[in-house]
Amino acid sequence: QVTLRESGPGLVKPTQTLTLTCTFTGPSFYTTGMSVAWIRQPPGKALEWLARIDSDDDKYFSKSLKARLTISRGTSKNQVALSLADMQPADTATYFCARMVKDGTYYFGDWGQGIFVSVS
Amino acid sequence: QSVLTQPPSVSGAPGQRITISCTGTSSNIGADFDVHWYQQFPGAVPKLLIFNNHRRPSGVPDRFSGSKSDTSASLAITGLQPEDEADYYCQSYDKGLSGWVFGGGTKLTVL
Repeated sequence: QVTLRESGPGLVKPTQTLTLTCTFTGPSFYTTGMSVAWIRQPPGKALEWLARIDSDDDKYFSKSLKARLTISRGTSKNQVALSLADMQPADTATYFCARMVKDGTYYFGDWGQGIFVSVS
Repeated sequence: QSVLTQPPSVSGAPGQRITISCTGTSSNIGADFDVHWYQQFPGAVPKLLIFNNHRRPSGVPDRFSGSKSDTSASLAITGLQPEDEADYYCQSYDKGLSGWVFGGGTKLTVL
């Protein structure tokens, strides 16, 4: 099992860029076939997948947000960063990072505690 | 509007059996992509409940079961307990969107 934790600002202003970091324990991200995803959940609403990055640096993005999203491996070997540009009040949500597990198809096996980000 | 459609709410009395449906299309569930289910208590982190349509992670009671057919999937809970009261989400992959998609979530109330 992998333990993940999100960090970043809890409040951003409209039009600013949000940058979040996911730090996780366990095998090195660079040496294992690991995939990390970002998912968000606006208050009272459903989960929404945002992006995924693999240990070999392959990247995948939600089509609806692709133009605003950046995902990258962090400076630390067990970190992944997500940036979302031009933040708007509709982007207010809890942002989760999660380890994606492939067993046939992918699912989200381990989740971070989440970080609530307000845009105001 | 979520790609996968779930009923907003279901309810049942303790001990009863309930099912939660998850309806997709030929781009996701109907394209033979697996369906996974998550349980989320208020203010908590989603937890994997069922993966690959019907498999349970270690520690999940066998009161929880999943199935899939054509373009839809179902989560069944038997012997309903008050602690099952939570939100439940289905998830799959959509080839048209080239991404992972969730249902809108179903709030389970134990009467």
